Amino acid sequence: DGGITQSPKYLFRKEGQNVTLSCEQNLNHDAMYWYRQDPGQGLRLIYYSQIVNDFQKGDIAEGYSVSREKKESFPLTVTSAQKNPTAFYLCASKGRGRMGLGAQHFGDGTRLSIL
Amino acid sequence: GESVGLHLPTLSVQEGDNSIINCAYSNSASDYFIWYKQESGKGPQFIIDIRSNMDKRQGQRVTVLLNKTVKHLSLQIAATQPGDSAVYFCAENGVLENYKLSFGAGTTVTVRA
Repeated sequence: DGGITQSPKYLFRKEGQNVTLSCEQNLNHDAMYWYRQDPGQGLRLIYYSQIVNDFQKGDIAEGYSVSREKKESFPLTVTSAQKNPTAFYLCASKGRGRMGLGAQHFGDGTRLSIL
Repeated sequence: GESVGLHLPTLSVQEGDNSIINCAYSNSASDYFIWYKQESGKGPQFIIDIRSNMDKRQGQRVTVLLNKTVKHLSLQIAATQPGDSAVYFCAENGVLENYKLSFGAGTTVTVRA
């Protein structure tokens, strides 16, 4: 079945450590996104990529980095510069709809906690 | 900046009743609106969408209403079931920024048996 796979489901980070969250999609979508979700809040955009080898900062990019070397993959690295990384991280992708509009499809998230 | 918001953070509904979840948006250039359902520990799941050239769209047990005059969006769920218990988000984007969705904070719907 087509979909978005995020791994791991749970991740723990030590002080000063970088961690990488995986996101893979087999929907043949061009655009991919990373969001952060904190308890009781909506989704906030970290980074997005509209095409391979290109990505843009979202609203809260500080302390995060991404790469987009393949269409199917959009890994997110949470660096040690991100001082409050504990959150639920969601990856999404979007295909080309009419006029570029269309719903984003989400994975089931990675919950990151600090040790 | 522009924002999307929901009127109430929580909604308690008796099983079998209809649910109405509301959302106000502030970006008058918004062209496309989506409702998502998020169950605990999972990612948001697409429910239904509507474009700004429509004021109503129906799906299976769900109806979305769009009032562009007052910038208001609502999701109606008919005959609410226990499986409808979740957090519901509205999201919007515009033609000029079609790469980006803006999300409200969500409404938590609890279905009482």
